[in-house]
Amino acid sequence: RKEVEQDPGPFNVPEGATVAFNCTYSNSASQSFFWYRQDCRKEPKLLMSVYSSGNEDGRFTAQLNRASQYISLLIRDSKLSDSATYLCVVTVNTGFQKLVFGTGTRLLVSP
Amino acid sequence: NAGVTQTPKFQVLKTGQSMTLQCAQDMNHEYMSWYRQDPGMGLRLIHYSVGAGITDQGEVPNGYNVSRSTTEDFPLRLLSAAPSQTSVYFCASSYTQGAGFYGYTFGSGTRLTVV
Repeated sequence: RKEVEQDPGPFNVPEGATVAFNCTYSNSASQSFFWYRQDCRKEPKLLMSVYSSGNEDGRFTAQLNRASQYISLLIRDSKLSDSATYLCVVTVNTGFQKLVFGTGTRLLVSP
Repeated sequence: NAGVTQTPKFQVLKTGQSMTLQCAQDMNHEYMSWYRQDPGMGLRLIHYSVGAGITDQGEVPNGYNVSRSTTEDFPLRLLSAAPSQTSVYFCASSYTQGAGFYGYTFGSGTRLTVV
């Protein structure tokens, strides 16, 4: 079983739509949680951290459920520029904060 | 600031050749790491360093060596390239603040093909 599992998609949505991505992780000792965005053939870039209380950054809302080991990302009012792969990332501290990546969910926003 | 700089951006090697992927950061981050990204798999940790002179293995270290003689540089050496090492390689740096790790910044990647 992969440590971090995501639906690979692609999710095809029209501009203006609301789309949600989910992710589950297997290591209950995971400490920190993030969503990264990766554009085609580019490096991953931090989109937002994820907290148990839920957090919002503009059109993006992230939520963490530690009991269910479940992370979500909601994108409202999708833009063409949101087309990318969204990586769910958790950290495990083994003396070094190792990032454990999901394989990513691909989002395609069409006009 | 340049952030994390990786060179080369593209490389083709023949099986058995050796080479070094370069990584440099100018943010004075103490932590540096190398990941590889393959289709259908998440990024996987190859090696990491928690400071100059200190390195350790990640989950897929076989066939790779690293050293950290300065805070700024963290080269990754392929000892004898194999087709299974065809991948995209990302270098990252980060820092600590209290009990947390922050500022994970990735380089733009090196696309390596081994034929």
